[in-house]
This record gives sequence, C-alpha cells and structure tokens, in this order.
Amino acid sequence: NAGVTQTPKFQVLKTGQSMTLQCAQDMNHNSMYWYRQDPGMGLRLIYYSASEGTTDKGEVPNGYNVSRLNKREFSLRLESAAPSQTSVYFCASSEGQGASGYTFGSGTRLTVV
Amino acid sequence: GESVGLHLPTLSVQEGDNSIINCAYSNSASDYFIWYKQESGKGPQFIIDIRSNMDKRQGQRVTVLLNKTVKHLSLQIAATQPGDSAVYFCAVMNYGGSQGNLIFGKGTKLSVKP
Repeated sequence: NAGVTQTPKFQVLKTGQSMTLQCAQDMNHNSMYWYRQDPGMGLRLIYYSASEGTTDKGEVPNGYNVSRLNKREFSLRLESAAPSQTSVYFCASSEGQGASGYTFGSGTRLTVV
Repeated sequence: GESVGLHLPTLSVQEGDNSIINCAYSNSASDYFIWYKQESGKGPQFIIDIRSNMDKRQGQRVTVLLNKTVKHLSLQIAATQPGDSAVYFCAVMNYGGSQGNLIFGKGTKLSVKP
C-alpha cells in the first residue's frame, strides 16, 4: 500500500545510547518531516526536508540530526538519547513544502530509560 | 510565529448527535487550514482542509468553518458515530517567510457514547 513507512514501531534505549529512526515514502513526494508527539503538547516539528538534498531545523531540533538519503528516505538520528526524548515520533511527507496536507506514518514509540 | 490552540481538550457526545470541535490561531496571515483525525496507536489522518479565500467547506459528514475576523476554525461532524472517536487536531500553515510548515494544535479527544 502506498504511504509512509516508519521503522521500528517500538524502541527502548538506555540514556546515552544512539539510534536511527527510518522513514520511507513511496508517493514521490518532495518534502518530508519529522514530528514528535508528547501528551498535551500536540505535534512539534523537529526537522524537515523541503526537497531532496536540503534539510532545515523545526521547532525542537536539539538532540537530533537528520539525513535525506534520497527522495524516498528521511532518517532521524539520536546521537545520545536522553529521557526527555521519550516520545512518539511521526514521519510525514507532502508533495511540496507548503502544499496540501501531509501523509503521516504510523509512528515510532521511543522510551529512553 | 504561529500558535494554535483548541478550546476544549475533551468532548463527549451521544451517538447520532452533531459534534463541534473548535480551534483558534494567532497569525492573521495564515492561509491554509487542515483538520486531522488520530485514532489510538495510529498516525494523524487528513480529514478536510480549507484555504483562506473560503469560509466554509463540506465533505462527507464533515464541515469546516473558517472565521478569519476572529481567527477561529471549527470542525463539525454530523450524526457522530462510534468510529468517530479519536483525537482531532487542527493545523495551520503560513506560506512564505520561514514558516512553510504545519503548526498543530494540541488536540481534542472526542468520545462517542452509544
């Protein structure tokens, strides 16, 4: 099925460990995004990639890095995980930045202990 | 920058009744508005959108109303069904400048009583 695929779905990390969250879309979208969702906080933008080869910081980029590997894939890396990064992470894509609504993946639930 | 807020974090309605979920935004230059539905354990799903040159748009059982004067957005769900139980988010986008991305409200949890 067409859409946005995120892996893994669940992950538990110890403080200080690193990991990469993977995201891929098969809709030939130009723009991709990473959001985190915390209780009572809605979705907050971490990083985005308006087009292949570009990435920019969003509202809450500290502690994260991203890579737009190709048009399909956009990964999010935590270099040294902290308990404050416990959250649900969503990847999304759209035809272009500022274009119509985003298509979201099903999320990665990350717990940092 | 833009901020988006919802009037009520929770809403409980009887099956068959109409539901109204409200949202307020801060930036009068905002020009594109979207409602998303998020079911438990899933990602947000697009419901309906509206651009600033309109004040009303209808979909299947859903209507979005935009009042630019007071910077208010609402989602109306007709004949609410148990399957409508979810968290609903409004999202606002500004074109131009440095903000070409969606800013989300905090969500309203809709519960439908049978």
